[in-house]
This record gives sequence, C-alpha cells and structure tokens, in this order.
Amino acid sequence: QVQLQESGPGLVKPSETLSLTCTVSGGSISSYYWSWIRQPAGKGLEWIGRIYTSGSTNYNPSLKSRVTMSVDTSKNQFSLKLSSVTAADTAVYYCARVEVRGVQGYYYYGMDVWGQGTTVTVSS
Amino acid sequence: AIQMTQSPSSLSASVGDRVTITCRASQGIRNDLGWYQQKPGKAPKLLIYAASSLQSGVPSRFSGSGSGTDFTLTISSLQPEDFATYYCLQDYNYPPTFGQGTKLEIK
Repeated sequence: QVQLQESGPGLVKPSETLSLTCTVSGGSISSYYWSWIRQPAGKGLEWIGRIYTSGSTNYNPSLKSRVTMSVDTSKNQFSLKLSSVTAADTAVYYCARVEVRGVQGYYYYGMDVWGQGTTVTVSS
Repeated sequence: AIQMTQSPSSLSASVGDRVTITCRASQGIRNDLGWYQQKPGKAPKLLIYAASSLQSGVPSRFSGSGSGTDFTLTISSLQPEDFATYYCLQDYNYPPTFGQGTKLEIK
C-alpha cells in the first residue's frame, strides 16, 4: 500500500528556510493532490497547502508569502519550503495524500494516507 | 477563513458508551467536512468524508451527519482503541480549516 515518509533537517535557525521532502512509496505520485499539515506540540492541526502533480498549488494565506511547494514526479517526491522561520514555526510537519471522490455530483477531498510526521525545531 | 468550533473540547466516557462530538462552521460549508482521529504521537487518520461517508476500512460504529453549519460525529459503542483526539476539517473554502479538537478520554 502507499506509504509516505517525510525527511529533512530537524533543527533550523531563525530567519532561515525550512525544507522538507515527502517520498511516496508503494504507488505513483501522479494524478493526486498532496498536502502539508503541521501541528505545534500539544496544539491543533494547521493546513499549510496543497499541490497537484501538475504543479498547481494552493497555500494557506497565513503562510502564503513564505511557502513554496514543488513536486518531482521522476522521484515520486514532493517538497515544502518555508522561509524566514521563527520559533512559531516549530511543529511536527506531516505530508498527506489527498483523495478526491465524487459523491452525488460534488467532489470531496480527504487526506487518506499520511506520513508519520517529522519534528522541526526552530532555534539558534 | 471559516472557523470551525468543536464541542466539547474534552469528553470522558466508558467502553460501550454512545458518544457524539459536534462541529460548527462559522458559515455554511455545504457538506464539505471530514472527521479525523489522532492518537498520541501518531498522524491523523481519516474517518469520514463528505460529512457522512465512511472511509474504507473504518469500523461502522463511526458515523457522521450534518450539512450547512452543524455537523456531528457519533461513535455508537466506544471501544478501547477509540480513545483519541478527534478533529473536524472543512474543505469548502480556502484555506481548509480544522476544529480545535475533542479529546476523548476513558472514564
């Protein structure tokens, strides 16, 4: 079955750029949407953004000026870059596959496969 | 952004109990709502999409209902493995927004 694995530095200095990669195994990255979500310790979930395998993206407006997502279909990977990080960006970062399903003429998104999450700490 | 408010924030219940969690949207979201379960140290798991459609592999004791602004997740008979935190997520408008979570604990 499809599995996702996040990778990247666990420690990033303030004002620098956080870079994470999600590797998709057991299936193709093509023809799906892929999302990034984060969760500060002890807090709730925040949607960061979504990318389709064509490269089209949607970002959370609260982060839009600092976020860039990309996809590399040849490597079955997609990536997240978050610039100018501060301590407020310290969190567990998850990648997830977005399943789109048609129900009674409408389309619905559901994040049906998740990575295990990777902890990123912003500190000098 | 649409605000999603869950209630209660925490809940104590016993194995075998019927439990209902509510999620209210700050504006109408049709039925573009999902429910996720998260256990400590684990990634969330999709339970329900389109407000009432059960994700493949999820036990039938989980059910969802609602449309517009008010939604519920019901667990018909709590099992030991159901004690977790539950989140609703609206995907009607950008950005998708989560509720603050409901922590379901053992009584």
